[in-house]
Amino acid sequence: GQNIDQPTEMTATEGAIVQINCTYQTSGFNGLFWYQQHAGEAPTFLSYNVLDGLEEKGRFSSFLSRSKGYSYLLLKELQMKDSASYLCAVPPSGNTPLVFGKGTRLSVIA
Amino acid sequence: EAQVTQNPRYLITVTGKKLTVTCSQNMNHEYMSWYRQDPGLGLRQIYYSMNVEVTDKGDVPEGYKVSRKEKRNFPLILESPSPNQTSLYFCASSSGQPGGQPQHFGDGTRLSIL
Repeated sequence: GQNIDQPTEMTATEGAIVQINCTYQTSGFNGLFWYQQHAGEAPTFLSYNVLDGLEEKGRFSSFLSRSKGYSYLLLKELQMKDSASYLCAVPPSGNTPLVFGKGTRLSVIA
Repeated sequence: EAQVTQNPRYLITVTGKKLTVTCSQNMNHEYMSWYRQDPGLGLRQIYYSMNVEVTDKGDVPEGYKVSRKEKRNFPLILESPSPNQTSLYFCASSSGQPGGQPQHFGDGTRLSIL
């Protein structure tokens, strides 16, 4: 079976750093994606990790540990526009659709 | 502009009245899929297609049909809609299989079945 866990909600202050965790147990593994989704809008691609370690892309970084079935998304210098849901997703095999976690709703407050 | 286009964006209809949600992409992507998103359940896969005339079921295919006659189009068909199909639907495409290729999502279709 497929199981992806993320915290349901998080709150952080503008300008701060926040880490959103994701743990997964899937029948296969072909990398891990992070998507951002603003309320009522389509998910948009943020990052993809297939090897262990940290991938940095501007204010956003994503980390993967395959042995622990664990990833996190790190958001630095938080801005109000970062208030959104963040979705962790894994394709269990090369050609099957993504299995998504239920998402973490992040609220950035002043 | 590279995009995935869904129509309609919003639809309110009644139980049993057949409807089709269209999805078209202009990126020459081979892989297309449909998801539904419900509060507390997240995004769940309905059907996917790896290429023309090749379709397969996802996790929640009951009550839905799809077709892939052309590479760019992947319509979702509800032959006899029921209230439990009220949801937000997303079509997505990618240049290759999901393992390694980011999905490009359409803007979504909000369906209400009364």
